[in-house]
Order: sequence, then structure tokens, then C-alpha cells
Amino acid sequence: GEDVEQSLFLSVREGDSSVINCTYTDSSSTYLYWYKQEPGAGLQLLTYIFSNMDMKQDQRLTVLLNKKDKHLSLRIADTQTGDSAIYFCAESTEGNTPLVFGKGTRLSVIA
Amino acid sequence: DAGVTQSPTHLIKTRGQHVTLRCSPISGHKSVSWYQQVLGQGPQFIFQYYEKEERGRGNFPDRFSARQFPNYSSELNVNALLLGDSALYLCASSWKQGVGELFFGEGSRLTVL
Repeated sequence: GEDVEQSLFLSVREGDSSVINCTYTDSSSTYLYWYKQEPGAGLQLLTYIFSNMDMKQDQRLTVLLNKKDKHLSLRIADTQTGDSAIYFCAESTEGNTPLVFGKGTRLSVIA
Repeated sequence: DAGVTQSPTHLIKTRGQHVTLRCSPISGHKSVSWYQQVLGQGPQFIFQYYEKEERGRGNFPDRFSARQFPNYSSELNVNALLLGDSALYLCASSWKQGVGELFFGEGSRLTVL
């Protein structure tokens, strides 16, 4: 079945760039998402990319997709303490129907 | 504009009881999905409803059921609660099944004792 893998932890210094990586197994994935979850809260959609794209940039966020290797990354430029959270990668073969999530990467930002 | 709203935010039940969780989608959204997030894990898909019909179901037992009302709000029901049902239950809405971003509510945290 479909599977999404992420590293569990990442620690960076404030002001540095963060790169969160994700791999997925379903070659028919057409949509790939990044969500952010702060403690005790729901999921906040950060950005998503279609499988026919290689890159998407949105302010401090850059998403890179290597479809051949089924590898997705999220780069956060100038990481701030407010970026500390759990980041989930998710994939779908039919838009938002349904999403398969990874276990999440906990990003800790050190001041 | 209000986002996805869920109620209750927290609740405690005992084994064998029944629970009903409620969700109101973003205005104009016709598709509602339910996800279960166990502590330390990513969300797992339970159900999707679009135009009041079930359009998808995840690998959950028949104790889990849901429905969508004419105003597009939704209920998730869980019968015969088990300790393992303790989780954050997330509702998400989109304007159409398979199209557009999926927006999540803050969730209902269920604890089963």
C-alpha cells in the first residue's frame, strides 16, 4: 500500500534554513502536501505541489519534488522560533481524496 | 470567515460508551473528511463525504460511522469505545471532492478510560 516516510526530528538554529525531507512509494501520487501542526492544534496547510511540477516557492517556503526518486522536500528560509512545530508530508492520487500522511518531522528551532 | 469548526474540543469517555463528534465545514465547502490522529502518529483517513454521500472509507471497523447533513455539516459516531480509540479526531473540508486544498479543524480530543 501507499507509504510516506519522514525523519522524525530536525534541530536548527534561528536564522538558518531548515530542510525537511519526505519519501513516498505511490508512483501514481498526483498531489503532495505539507502541513504544520503546533502543539494541541489541528493541521495548517502550508503548501502543496502537483506531480507535474519540480518546484514551488511561496515566500520563505520552497518545495522541491523529485518524481523519479519519489522524494519531496520543504525548505524554510530564515527559520524562526515560531516555526517550531511538527511538519507532515502527505500524498494523494486524486487531489484531496484521501490524504496519506507521514508520521511527521518535529522541527526545533534554537534561539 | 470561519474555518472548519469542531465540537466538542475535549471529551472523556469510558470503555463501551458511544461518542458523537461534530464538524461544520468552511462556508461553501461541500466535502467533509474525517481523520484519526493517535499520539505520535500522522492522521489516518476514516471517511469522506461529498454531497451527503459517503465517497470513501478507510480501514476502520464498523463501530465507526458518519453522516453528512443537508447543510454539509457532519457527524462522526463511534460505538463500543475501546482504549485504542483515544486520539485526536480531525475534520477537514474542501469545496469539492478531489479538487482544491483540504482545510482542517482544530480537532476533538477523545480520551477513553
